[in-house]
Amino acid sequence: SQQGEEDPQALSIQEGENATMNCSYKTSINNLQWYRQNSGRGLVHLILIRSNEREKHSGRLRVTLDTSKKSSSLLITASRAADTASYFCATDAPLHGGSARQLTFGSGTQLTVLP
Amino acid sequence: KAGVTQTPRYLIKTRGQQVTLSCSPISGHRSVSWYQQTPGQGLQFLFEYFSETQRNKGNFPGRFSGRQFSNSRSEMNVSTLELGDSALYLCASSFSGSDYGYTFGSGTRLTVV
Repeated sequence: SQQGEEDPQALSIQEGENATMNCSYKTSINNLQWYRQNSGRGLVHLILIRSNEREKHSGRLRVTLDTSKKSSSLLITASRAADTASYFCATDAPLHGGSARQLTFGSGTQLTVLP
Repeated sequence: KAGVTQTPRYLIKTRGQQVTLSCSPISGHRSVSWYQQTPGQGLQFLFEYFSETQRNKGNFPGRFSGRQFSNSRSEMNVSTLELGDSALYLCASSFSGSDYGYTFGSGTRLTVV
């Protein structure tokens, strides 16, 4: 089952503009991660934010986390055509106690950056 | 350093057959997870192995199984293939689990005809 729901499902912007994607989830989490996937390929890990963090930056990426609202957002600044891809949020949630871990992915946002 | 290697990249099988997919994690990574990706269901967790032990299993039928070897390489097996098993199967490795993010392979595209 999908833990995260992402919004919007698709986003089309011009090069140089900023892109914002949102993710909502349902349960308590250890951390939340964002991944990028180019068409039909593997996922690339972008950034991880822990449940006790509120904001994190990595290059042109900025991630926020609001655990009270169970939501996160990914901001890509000054977008480029090469940023065109699907973006997924994934939550790492505790399972049955112990060391069992898994990521539960959202449905993804398809970002298209037009040159 | 070398990334996560999945073989084969593409596979076509007939309904009822079985298939084995292979994953070689990044050197030093002991956690290997498998995911199934389809247009209808998205990315779904299959199972995770750590130091040759299955730590967690997703909600898939018993036809889906896996194992991990002492060198951390992992295989997953699907028996009695069904058309609905057509998907991109992704392997991901991590040093110890999801605390630090996963590195994914390029996937195996399985088509069942």
